[in-house]
Amino acid sequence: GQSLEQPSEVTAVEGAIVQINCTYQTSGFYGLSWYQQHDGGAPTFLSYNALDGLEETGRFSSFLSRSDSYGYLLLQELQMKDSASYFCAGYNTDKLIFGTGTRLQVFP
Amino acid sequence: DAMVIQNPRYQVTQFGKPVTLSCSQTLNHNVMYWYQQKSSQAPKLLFHYYDKDFNNEADTPDNFQSRRPNTSFCFLDIRSPGLGDAAMYLCATSRDHLLGLADTDTQYFGPGTRLTVL
Repeated sequence: GQSLEQPSEVTAVEGAIVQINCTYQTSGFYGLSWYQQHDGGAPTFLSYNALDGLEETGRFSSFLSRSDSYGYLLLQELQMKDSASYFCAGYNTDKLIFGTGTRLQVFP
Repeated sequence: DAMVIQNPRYQVTQFGKPVTLSCSQTLNHNVMYWYQQKSSQAPKLLFHYYDKDFNNEADTPDNFQSRRPNTSFCFLDIRSPGLGDAAMYLCATSRDHLLGLADTDTQYFGPGTRLTVL
């Protein structure tokens, strides 16, 4: 099968660091993207890992290990505006498959 | 600014009454996608166009159709909406498809159309 699993919910406080994990089972897989989606809004692109390793973009970093079928999104210096749903999405042979999604709640 | 635009943002229709959702893009991207997203779920791909080539997902109901008259526009037609079709419908574009490169494969989403079926 083709699936990407994420924790359903993560909570943290402002200024903290949080890691959202994504484990996947798929064949013909390459590349892992992360998208942020605020309530009622559209998914917005955060990052893309075509190769194993860490990609850093400001406060956000994303990691991929294809040998472990695992990736994560790391959010640092959390802000209230980071409260949203986060989806990992894997590129398969003919489409992008979204993970189950993680709802992040940031508290003051 | 280059972007993906969806109209209308909110659409109310009656059970069984055909409805059309529209998407336009100024990015000049080759690929356009339609997703259905229900509350607290991940977006589900319905179909996509690579240029004029239509690619339907195996589990997309026949009730859903799409048209892409030109590069900029793509339409989603729901022939006989049922209560279960109430959802957010997202249009997305990408410059190309499955080349394994971020700048070609990244999908850019429109704001979505929330469909209510009465």
